[in-house]
Amino acid sequence: AQKITQTQPGMFVQEKEAVTLDCTYDTSDPSYGLFWYKQPSSGEMIFLIYQGSYDQQNATEGRYSLNFQKARKSANLVISASQLGDSAMYFCAMRGYNTDKLIFGTGTRLQVFP
Amino acid sequence: GAVVSQHPSWVICKSGTSVKIECRSLDFQATTMFWYRQFPKQSLMLMATSNEGSKATYEQGVEKDKFLINHASLTLSTLTVTSAHPEDSSFYICSVLLAGVSYNEQFFGPGTRLTVL
Repeated sequence: AQKITQTQPGMFVQEKEAVTLDCTYDTSDPSYGLFWYKQPSSGEMIFLIYQGSYDQQNATEGRYSLNFQKARKSANLVISASQLGDSAMYFCAMRGYNTDKLIFGTGTRLQVFP
Repeated sequence: GAVVSQHPSWVICKSGTSVKIECRSLDFQATTMFWYRQFPKQSLMLMATSNEGSKATYEQGVEKDKFLINHASLTLSTLTVTSAHPEDSSFYICSVLLAGVSYNEQFFGPGTRLTVL
């Protein structure tokens, strides 16, 4: 069975600092994909970044980067230069081999303070 | 990307009534849509996969007779919560699947907040 674990229910970071949100996963699939989404208080799910299990390099998208450590089954999200608008829930998600279904972690609430 | 709308954005209904939620893909045709449910301060749980022109595929534990899904066109999927009860109060989110070059991506609607009194 597949599982996504986010062990940090909440994180605080000061504006302009970097923050790492943890995500570990468990799967026996030969290939899989990992996603990070941001959910502001409005409720919409905003796609941030994707990492394929066979991608050689860690994914980056602007201020977002994914620290992918396949052997440790971790896919941590790094947000650099935090902004007040980054305050939101962040969800790590995984899709398995030959499926487009997503399994979500429990989320981490990030609060950025001035 | 894809633009996805949901209607209504929120609804309050009495226990025992049925509520229909629409999910529309505004700028491309979607053969596959997904329906999720999110209880307060919890994660998204996949309820079902909606396939255009065929029956939806429900996840284990989701009652297909209670949560009716109809994907009658390539731009519209509907979720009907039949005989709603207070425990059905939740945030319902749909997504559409867009095939990409290296991976398929889901684009989410803004969600519908259902409150059953």
